[in-house]
Amino acid sequence: DIQMTQSPSSLSASVGDRVTITCRASQGIRNDLGWYQQKPGKAPKRLIYAASSLQSGVPSRFSGSGSGTEFTLTISSLQPEDFATYYCLQHNSYLLTFGGGTKVEIK
Amino acid sequence: QLQLQESGPGLVKPSETLSLTCTVSGGSISSSSYYWGWIRQPPGKGLEWIGSIYYSGSTYYNPSLKSRVTISVDTSKNQFSLKLSSVTAADTAVYYCARLPAEIQLLGIDYWGQGTLVTVSS
Repeated sequence: DIQMTQSPSSLSASVGDRVTITCRASQGIRNDLGWYQQKPGKAPKRLIYAASSLQSGVPSRFSGSGSGTEFTLTISSLQPEDFATYYCLQHNSYLLTFGGGTKVEIK
Repeated sequence: QLQLQESGPGLVKPSETLSLTCTVSGGSISSSSYYWGWIRQPPGKGLEWIGSIYYSGSTYYNPSLKSRVTISVDTSKNQFSLKLSSVTAADTAVYYCARLPAEIQLLGIDYWGQGTLVTVSS
């Protein structure tokens, strides 16, 4: 099975800050990774697919990068509506795995 | 607009079988371009993929749950279902159904249901 290690598990940041979240795969997964945002009581929403492609309708302050085993989600200038939990999801294998999540809180 | 809606009992007794159905509207579950899946999230915890199914009936299950999980599809009703047997309190979670685009391989999850809370308690 492919394991996804996401870091940090939580972070505190201020509006306007640049935020970076990382996921590492236990083996190479090419660019078969997506990033999801989840707000309390809501279903996750996809932000990034294929590691670096922006989902339609998602603000351009979100970006993804990486390939192989290391991936990054960057929020260039954190906005109040971005305080949420973020997850990566690998789909290189038909056995999907999520990262453990990163909770982005207000400093 | 595609919509997925989970339905089923919100309370299940320990040792019994949890059963949920996902009804797909605004699209066909028989499309060759998609798998359909179940994901769960225990209260205050992260997301866990349970399993996926193709309209033909081909399935993939999380190895940690495989012995207790059955996912099936009913193309006539545009629905797919989850059964999880021998449940314990650890199976208490919000259960989501979802759509997984596929071209030769899976392309992630693009649509989610709103989720339904299932509590395991006597």
